[in-house]
Amino acid sequence: AQSVTQPDIHITVSEGASLELRCNYSYGATPYLFWYVQSPGQGLQLLLKYFSGDTLVQGIKGFEAEFKRSQSSFNLRKPSVHWSDAAEYFCAVGPPSSASKIIFGSGTRLSIRP
Amino acid sequence: GAVVSQHPSWVICKSGTSVKIECRSLDFQATTMFWYRQFPKQSLMLMATSNEGSKATYEQGVEKDKFLINHASLTLSTLTVTSAHPEDSSFYICSAREQGLEGYTFGSGTRLTVV
Repeated sequence: AQSVTQPDIHITVSEGASLELRCNYSYGATPYLFWYVQSPGQGLQLLLKYFSGDTLVQGIKGFEAEFKRSQSSFNLRKPSVHWSDAAEYFCAVGPPSSASKIIFGSGTRLSIRP
Repeated sequence: GAVVSQHPSWVICKSGTSVKIECRSLDFQATTMFWYRQFPKQSLMLMATSNEGSKATYEQGVEKDKFLINHASLTLSTLTVTSAHPEDSSFYICSAREQGLEGYTFGSGTRLTVV
């Protein structure tokens, strides 16, 4: 079965500290992988995506993610977080077909300690 | 880049009334759009896939007679919550994917409160 697991429900880090949000997936083939961020009451904004090629993907706002096929993981990282990074983060997987749905993880809420 | 506009951003309605939410792709054509529902502090749950010119495909457990989806053009899909009840209060988000491109673009969401 296709699934996405984000094992951390809530993470708190100090401003300026590094961050890693975990994401593991189960999929029949190599999927498209996404990280989205959602501020309270807002829609989703795409941080980055992986389709093929270099397994280290750079995104917006200083985020990056690394695809590790052997571990079925796509963890999101940022070397130094800012207070404005506090939000909900969703990992998602999807097929190449544009008519097919993507599957979301349960999300990780990030809080920033001043 | 691709932009999806969702309207309204928030709506309050009385029990028993119907509410329509619009999802528009502003600078691209979307033969397929997706409607999600999100409960507080939870992930997005796909409700249905909206197909231009044909019937929507609903996920298991979603009442198609309650959540009417119409995708009359390549740039507009609408979700109508019929005979709304307080338990329908939620955050509804649509998304679309431009043909030939990778990635999904999401609308800003609609907060529905039924009183």
